Amino acid sequence: GESVGLHLPTLSVQEGDNSIINCAYSNSASDYFIWYKQESGKGPQFIIDIRSNMDKRQGQRVTVLLNKTVKHLSLQIAATQPGDSAVYFCVESGGSNYKLTFGKGTLLTVNP
Amino acid sequence: EAGVAQSPRYKIIEKRQSVAFWCNPISGHATLYWYQQILGQGPKLLIQFQNNGVVDDSQLPKDRFSAERLKGVDSTLKIQPAKLEDSAVYLCASSPEWYGNTIYFGEGSWLTVV
Repeated sequence: GESVGLHLPTLSVQEGDNSIINCAYSNSASDYFIWYKQESGKGPQFIIDIRSNMDKRQGQRVTVLLNKTVKHLSLQIAATQPGDSAVYFCVESGGSNYKLTFGKGTLLTVNP
Repeated sequence: EAGVAQSPRYKIIEKRQSVAFWCNPISGHATLYWYQQILGQGPKLLIQFQNNGVVDDSQLPKDRFSAERLKGVDSTLKIQPAKLEDSAVYLCASSPEWYGNTIYFGEGSWLTVV
């Protein structure tokens, strides 16, 4: 079946460094992608999204890159802070029912 | 703007008992979702409502799970009878429309079945 996968289940960075979280998707019909952040004990929180007619979108300290040729998505976090420690989910949507499909997530740990 | 409200936050029940979770979406959001998140996994969609109609319930275990959104606003998810494998966080989410829009999640209802 269709799935969204992540290359690395965990990522550990030093405070102040830049973080890059990668994601591979398999549904070529997906046309909308979202990154969610989930802190311990909380629901997923929207970070940034991108539509398939774009290859880059920037937010506050975050940038999402989309490479449709290789079905790859990445989230870049600049100057990572301890408050960025969380699980990050790459989510795709589109196809016949526009269902959001979550992967397993990447755990980001920021060391002070 | 108030977020998605859920209750109860925590519930512990014995297997074969029943439980119900309540969700009040963000005001004006037509689409409401219930997700199940098992520890260490990403959320899995159980059911999606557009107003008070069901859009997708293909992954809802209908022999034991039921959900309703009678007036197109708040919603209830029920499990009866519960099994050990139902232990999870039940997340409610809402969005303005059903396609291509950001969905907003509540804090979740944590269920432990013993």
